Amino acid sequence: ETGVTQSPTHLIKTRGQQVTLRCSSQSGHNTVSWYQQALGQGPQFIFQYYREEENGRGNFPPRFSGLQFPNYSSELNVNALELDDSALYLCASSQVREETQYFGPGTRLLVL
Amino acid sequence: QQPVQSPQAVILREGEDAVINCSSSKALYSVHWYRQKHGEAPVFLMILLKGGEQKGHEKISASFNEKKQQSSLYLTASQLSYSGTYFCGIITQGGSEKLVFGKGTKLTVNP
Repeated sequence: ETGVTQSPTHLIKTRGQQVTLRCSSQSGHNTVSWYQQALGQGPQFIFQYYREEENGRGNFPPRFSGLQFPNYSSELNVNALELDDSALYLCASSQVREETQYFGPGTRLLVL
Repeated sequence: QQPVQSPQAVILREGEDAVINCSSSKALYSVHWYRQKHGEAPVFLMILLKGGEQKGHEKISASFNEKKQQSSLYLTASQLSYSGTYFCGIITQGGSEKLVFGKGTKLTVNP
């Protein structure tokens, strides 16, 4: 059974650019949630995808968008990057929407 | 409705005990505990559900007090490997069913 994987591990972008982060869910999991974790803070919920539909969104602007594919993998897209978008982006998968979530290793994004 | 964790940081010697608390301003449906080591992803420790059901897979215990809207994580006979930042995530009753995490408690275990 493979765990949650994310790519890339690190990324450097400049302000105004766009970025796509990828997540493969754990085998058997149909729900993926994305979180942003700033240094020294807890993960902040961005949105969740359940069976390819967005199932809830946190307090993030529309320039944060996502997709879930039929194999339950997921993408997080961020447009018009800002300096404050620099953070660790985590995805977590679960079997059902409100059950235990298992995190991937994260993508560390630096916006210059 | 971010949960409040206390203490913010604690330093122990190997073998000592610690308690980490997580308080909510709203009625809780479930509490999820994670440990995160520096530069790594959060690792699931335990989930506590309304009604008292507890699920976990490590030798760490926790309580869930519905009346006080809080949970406590108990680390007994701490080991060096327990060092890290502990986060509680809550799902509130009648809420969005999404996990909201606290700011974390940094635990350092020294030899």
